Amino acid sequence: EVQLLESGGGLVQPGGSLRLSCAASGFTFSSYAMSWVRQAPGKGLEWVSAISGSGGSTYHADSVKGRFTISRDNSKNTLYLQMNSLRDEDTAVYYCAKQRVFSYYGSGSYFDYWGQGTLVTVSS
Amino acid sequence: DIQMTQSPSSLSASVGDRVTITCQASQDISNYLNWYQQKPGKAPKLLIYDASNLETGVPSRFSGSESGTDFTFTISSLQPEDVATYYCQQYDNLPLTFGGGTKVEIK
Repeated sequence: EVQLLESGGGLVQPGGSLRLSCAASGFTFSSYAMSWVRQAPGKGLEWVSAISGSGGSTYHADSVKGRFTISRDNSKNTLYLQMNSLRDEDTAVYYCAKQRVFSYYGSGSYFDYWGQGTLVTVSS
Repeated sequence: DIQMTQSPSSLSASVGDRVTITCQASQDISNYLNWYQQKPGKAPKLLIYDASNLETGVPSRFSGSESGTDFTFTISSLQPEDVATYYCQQYDNLPLTFGGGTKVEIK
Protein backbone atom coordinates (compact mmCIF):
# COMPACT_ATOMS: atom_id res chain seq x y z
CA GLU A 1 0.00 0.00 0.00
CA VAL A 2 1.34 3.39 -1.01
CA GLN A 3 1.75 5.76 1.92
CA LEU A 4 2.98 9.34 1.97
CA LEU A 5 3.45 11.02 5.33
CA GLU A 6 4.31 14.70 5.46
CA SER A 7 5.86 16.43 8.46
CA GLY A 8 7.61 19.67 9.36
CA GLY A 9 4.78 22.16 9.11
CA GLY A 10 4.09 24.76 11.75
CA LEU A 11 3.97 28.44 12.58
CA VAL A 12 6.80 30.61 11.30
CA GLN A 13 7.34 34.35 11.10
CA PRO A 14 7.59 36.15 7.78
CA GLY A 15 11.11 35.86 6.45
CA GLY A 16 11.65 32.60 8.30
CA SER A 17 12.45 29.09 7.07
CA LEU A 18 10.96 25.61 7.32
CA ARG A 19 11.83 22.24 5.89
CA LEU A 20 9.03 19.87 5.02
CA SER A 21 9.56 16.13 4.71
CA CYS A 22 7.50 13.42 3.07
CA ALA A 23 8.24 9.83 4.01
CA ALA A 24 7.19 7.40 1.30
CA SER A 25 6.51 3.67 1.46
CA GLY A 26 4.80 0.95 -0.50
CA PHE A 27 6.47 1.61 -3.85
CA THR A 28 9.91 1.90 -5.45
CA PHE A 29 10.50 5.54 -4.53
CA SER A 30 13.35 6.23 -6.96
CA SER A 31 11.23 5.18 -9.95
CA TYR A 32 8.72 8.00 -9.67
CA ALA A 33 8.64 11.75 -9.85
CA MET A 34 7.30 13.57 -6.82
CA SER A 35 5.70 16.97 -6.36
CA TRP A 36 4.57 19.39 -3.70
CA VAL A 37 1.11 20.89 -4.15
CA ARG A 38 -0.29 23.48 -1.77
CA GLN A 39 -3.71 24.76 -0.85
CA ALA A 40 -4.23 28.09 0.88
CA PRO A 41 -7.12 28.17 3.39
CA GLY A 42 -10.41 27.99 1.51
CA LYS A 43 -8.67 28.14 -1.88
CA GLY A 44 -7.83 25.83 -4.74
CA LEU A 45 -4.79 23.71 -5.52
CA GLU A 46 -1.45 25.15 -6.63
CA TRP A 47 1.46 23.07 -7.91
CA VAL A 48 4.60 24.29 -6.22
CA SER A 49 7.62 22.12 -7.03
CA ALA A 50 8.51 18.83 -8.67
CA ILE A 51 11.48 16.49 -8.94
CA SER A 52 12.25 13.58 -11.21
CA GLY A 53 12.75 10.08 -9.89
CA SER A 54 16.53 10.35 -9.87
CA GLY A 55 16.48 13.87 -8.46
CA GLY A 56 18.41 15.12 -11.46
CA SER A 57 15.69 17.45 -12.68
CA THR A 58 13.60 19.87 -10.67
CA TYR A 59 11.00 22.54 -11.30
CA HIS A 60 9.64 25.35 -9.16
CA ALA A 61 6.64 27.56 -9.79
CA ASP A 62 7.42 31.24 -10.34
CA SER A 63 5.70 32.06 -7.04
CA VAL A 64 8.39 30.18 -5.07
CA LYS A 65 11.39 30.22 -7.41
CA GLY A 66 14.54 31.31 -5.62
CA ARG A 67 12.97 30.74 -2.19
CA PHE A 68 11.96 27.05 -2.17
CA THR A 69 14.12 24.04 -3.02
CA ILE A 70 12.80 20.55 -3.63
CA SER A 71 15.08 17.58 -3.09
CA ARG A 72 14.91 13.87 -2.39
CA ASP A 73 16.95 11.17 -0.69
CA ASN A 74 16.20 7.94 -2.49
CA SER A 75 18.17 5.94 0.08
CA LYS A 76 15.74 7.15 2.75
CA ASN A 77 12.59 7.19 0.57
CA THR A 78 12.04 10.78 1.58
CA LEU A 79 11.07 13.95 -0.27
CA TYR A 80 11.92 17.40 1.05
CA LEU A 81 10.90 21.00 0.52
CA GLN A 82 13.21 23.64 1.94
CA MET A 83 11.28 26.87 2.28
CA ASN A 84 13.16 30.12 2.87
CA SER A 85 12.11 33.77 2.98
CA LEU A 86 8.57 32.74 3.79
CA ARG A 87 5.74 35.17 3.11
CA ASP A 88 2.19 35.48 4.42
CA GLU A 89 0.93 34.16 1.08
CA ASP A 90 2.82 30.89 1.57
CA THR A 91 0.34 29.96 4.31
CA ALA A 92 -1.25 26.72 3.12
CA VAL A 93 -1.59 23.01 3.55
CA TYR A 94 1.30 21.42 1.67
CA TYR A 95 0.70 18.03 0.11
CA CYS A 96 3.32 15.72 -1.30
CA ALA A 97 2.08 13.80 -4.30
CA LYS A 98 3.48 10.83 -6.17
CA GLN A 99 3.41 10.97 -9.95
CA ARG A 100 2.80 7.91 -12.08
CA VAL A 101 6.02 8.10 -14.07
CA PHE A 102 9.72 8.91 -13.64
CA SER A 103 9.45 12.41 -15.06
CA TYR A 104 7.34 15.18 -13.54
CA TYR A 105 6.32 16.31 -17.02
CA GLY A 106 4.85 14.54 -20.02
CA SER A 107 2.70 11.51 -20.65
CA GLY A 108 1.51 9.86 -17.46
CA SER A 109 2.79 12.48 -15.05
CA TYR A 110 -0.45 12.87 -13.13
CA PHE A 111 -0.70 12.64 -9.34
CA ASP A 112 -1.87 9.17 -8.38
CA TYR A 113 -1.27 9.27 -4.62
CA TRP A 114 -1.32 12.13 -2.14
CA GLY A 115 -0.26 12.52 1.47
CA GLN A 116 -2.58 13.91 4.13
CA GLY A 117 -0.89 17.31 4.09
CA THR A 118 0.97 19.47 6.58
CA LEU A 119 -0.09 23.00 7.51
CA VAL A 120 2.36 25.87 7.18
CA THR A 121 1.29 29.14 8.75
CA VAL A 122 3.34 32.26 8.11
CA SER A 123 2.40 34.98 10.53
CA SER A 124 3.94 37.43 12.94
CA ASP B 1 0.89 29.51 -18.31
CA ILE B 2 -2.15 27.51 -19.42
CA GLN B 3 -5.32 28.73 -17.72
CA MET B 4 -7.96 26.17 -16.81
CA THR B 5 -11.43 27.69 -16.56
CA GLN B 6 -13.73 25.44 -14.60
CA SER B 7 -17.50 25.87 -14.30
CA PRO B 8 -19.68 26.09 -12.40
CA SER B 9 -17.85 27.04 -9.21
CA SER B 10 -20.55 25.30 -7.20
CA LEU B 11 -23.71 23.31 -7.75
CA SER B 12 -26.43 21.66 -5.74
CA ALA B 13 -28.22 18.57 -7.03
CA SER B 14 -30.44 15.80 -5.77
CA VAL B 15 -29.37 12.22 -5.14
CA GLY B 16 -29.63 10.35 -8.42
CA ASP B 17 -29.20 13.44 -10.59
CA ARG B 18 -26.75 13.63 -13.46
CA VAL B 19 -24.05 16.21 -12.70
CA THR B 20 -21.79 17.81 -15.29
CA ILE B 21 -18.71 19.97 -14.76
CA THR B 22 -16.75 21.61 -17.54
CA CYS B 23 -13.16 22.71 -17.85
CA GLN B 24 -11.81 24.84 -20.68
CA ALA B 25 -8.13 25.13 -21.44
CA SER B 26 -6.66 28.41 -22.71
CA GLN B 27 -4.79 26.49 -25.42
CA ASP B 28 -4.55 23.01 -26.88
CA ILE B 29 -3.54 20.46 -24.23
CA SER B 30 -4.26 17.32 -26.25
CA ASN B 31 -5.89 14.92 -23.81
CA TYR B 32 -3.53 15.74 -20.93
CA LEU B 33 -6.33 16.52 -18.53
CA ASN B 34 -7.08 14.91 -15.19
CA TRP B 35 -9.91 15.15 -12.67
CA TYR B 36 -9.52 14.96 -8.91
CA GLN B 37 -12.01 14.72 -6.06
CA GLN B 38 -11.32 16.41 -2.73
CA LYS B 39 -13.61 15.67 0.17
CA PRO B 40 -13.70 18.16 3.07
CA GLY B 41 -10.54 17.98 5.16
CA LYS B 42 -8.99 15.32 2.95
CA ALA B 43 -6.31 15.12 0.28
CA PRO B 44 -7.30 15.11 -3.39
CA LYS B 45 -7.89 11.77 -5.10
CA LEU B 46 -7.34 10.98 -8.77
CA LEU B 47 -10.56 9.96 -10.52
CA ILE B 48 -9.97 10.41 -14.26
CA TYR B 49 -6.69 10.66 -16.18
CA ASP B 50 -6.00 11.51 -19.81
CA ALA B 51 -9.45 13.09 -20.12
CA SER B 52 -11.47 9.90 -20.13
CA ASN B 53 -9.66 7.05 -18.38
CA LEU B 54 -11.16 5.89 -15.10
CA GLU B 55 -8.59 5.33 -12.36
CA THR B 56 -8.58 1.83 -10.91
CA GLY B 57 -11.16 1.40 -8.15
CA VAL B 58 -13.16 4.49 -9.03
CA PRO B 59 -16.91 3.87 -9.45
CA SER B 60 -18.16 3.77 -13.03
CA ARG B 61 -20.70 6.55 -12.40
CA PHE B 62 -17.76 8.93 -12.89
CA SER B 63 -16.67 9.67 -16.45
CA GLY B 64 -14.80 12.22 -18.52
CA SER B 65 -14.78 13.35 -22.12
CA GLU B 66 -13.12 15.92 -24.34
CA SER B 67 -13.94 18.07 -27.33
CA GLY B 68 -11.03 20.18 -28.47
CA THR B 69 -10.03 22.39 -25.56
CA ASP B 70 -13.27 21.70 -23.68
CA PHE B 71 -13.42 18.89 -21.17
CA THR B 72 -16.42 17.46 -19.36
CA PHE B 73 -16.64 15.53 -16.11
CA THR B 74 -19.87 13.69 -15.37
CA ILE B 75 -21.39 11.92 -12.39
CA SER B 76 -24.17 9.84 -13.91
CA SER B 77 -26.12 9.38 -10.67
CA LEU B 78 -25.10 11.60 -7.77
CA GLN B 79 -24.59 9.80 -4.45
CA PRO B 80 -24.32 11.31 -0.96
CA GLU B 81 -20.67 10.26 -0.75
CA ASP B 82 -19.90 12.35 -3.85
CA VAL B 83 -20.15 15.59 -1.86
CA ALA B 84 -16.75 17.12 -2.56
CA THR B 85 -14.87 19.69 -4.57
CA TYR B 86 -13.72 18.56 -8.01
CA TYR B 87 -10.67 19.93 -9.80
CA CYS B 88 -9.42 19.58 -13.34
CA GLN B 89 -5.67 19.71 -13.99
CA GLN B 90 -3.63 19.95 -17.17
CA TYR B 91 -0.20 18.44 -17.61
CA ASP B 92 0.54 19.31 -21.22
CA ASN B 93 2.74 22.26 -20.32
CA LEU B 94 4.73 23.51 -17.36
CA PRO B 95 3.69 24.77 -14.94
CA LEU B 96 1.06 22.13 -14.26
CA THR B 97 -2.14 24.03 -13.51
CA PHE B 98 -5.47 23.31 -11.87
CA GLY B 99 -8.92 24.66 -12.47
CA GLY B 100 -10.55 26.70 -9.73
CA GLY B 101 -12.69 23.82 -8.48
CA THR B 102 -16.37 22.93 -8.41
CA LYS B 103 -18.05 22.36 -5.07
CA VAL B 104 -20.79 19.73 -5.34
CA GLU B 105 -23.49 19.59 -2.70
CA ILE B 106 -26.68 17.61 -2.18
CA LYS B 107 -29.95 19.50 -2.51
